[in-house]
Amino acid sequence: DAGITQSPRHKVTETGTPVTLRCHQTENHRYMYWYRQDPGHGLRLIHYSYGVKDTDKGEVSDGYSVSRSKTEDFLLTLESATSSQTSVYFCATRKDMGEKLFFGSGTQLSVL
Amino acid sequence: ILNVEQSPQSLHVQEGDSTNFTCSFPSSNFYALHWYRWETAKSPEALFVMTLNGDEKKKGRISATLNTKEGYSYLYIKGSQPEDSATYLCAFENNAGNMLTFGGGTRLMVKP
Repeated sequence: DAGITQSPRHKVTETGTPVTLRCHQTENHRYMYWYRQDPGHGLRLIHYSYGVKDTDKGEVSDGYSVSRSKTEDFLLTLESATSSQTSVYFCATRKDMGEKLFFGSGTQLSVL
Repeated sequence: ILNVEQSPQSLHVQEGDSTNFTCSFPSSNFYALHWYRWETAKSPEALFVMTLNGDEKKKGRISATLNTKEGYSYLYIKGSQPEDSATYLCAFENNAGNMLTFGGGTRLMVKP
């Protein structure tokens, strides 16, 4: 299994507070992704990275920002959390185009 | 937003039945089609990545076919077992190579 660690695994926060989720990988994979999972929507892409300091928006990027200052770490930040951002967040990585994704264990985020 | 559709949304079968699901995706700008298996309380795991029109992949009792010209892929499970119960996801990778867009998934439940 690819070494992908998400932290925290669970978080409860209040509306309006900033939240940062971390994805750490030990595989030296070039590509990293943040998805959210919601009932009826499957996995939706929030942001992705194709290299250090190279990031781009996915289909549901509003309210989220990301940073990738080194290969191993991809941070997802909710600047001011809202209840609509309550979800399970999955990080995924892969080596290159056409390669399979490896997923982290997920972060359950609840915004009250 | 790319349209990646999976059908049916859910499926109940008896142990020993063979079954199949469909993934439809854009027929333009194709690079690869992915299939993932997602068990409850776990993370998605890759089954296949297919890149060529007419590709067929097989892993044990599970196989997949690909038609890029008409934009569909089939996943087949022969002789379903209770341990096959999971959600099966497909993901479309376009030729920009950075993004993977997931379908909503097919939830399979196999009754003993």
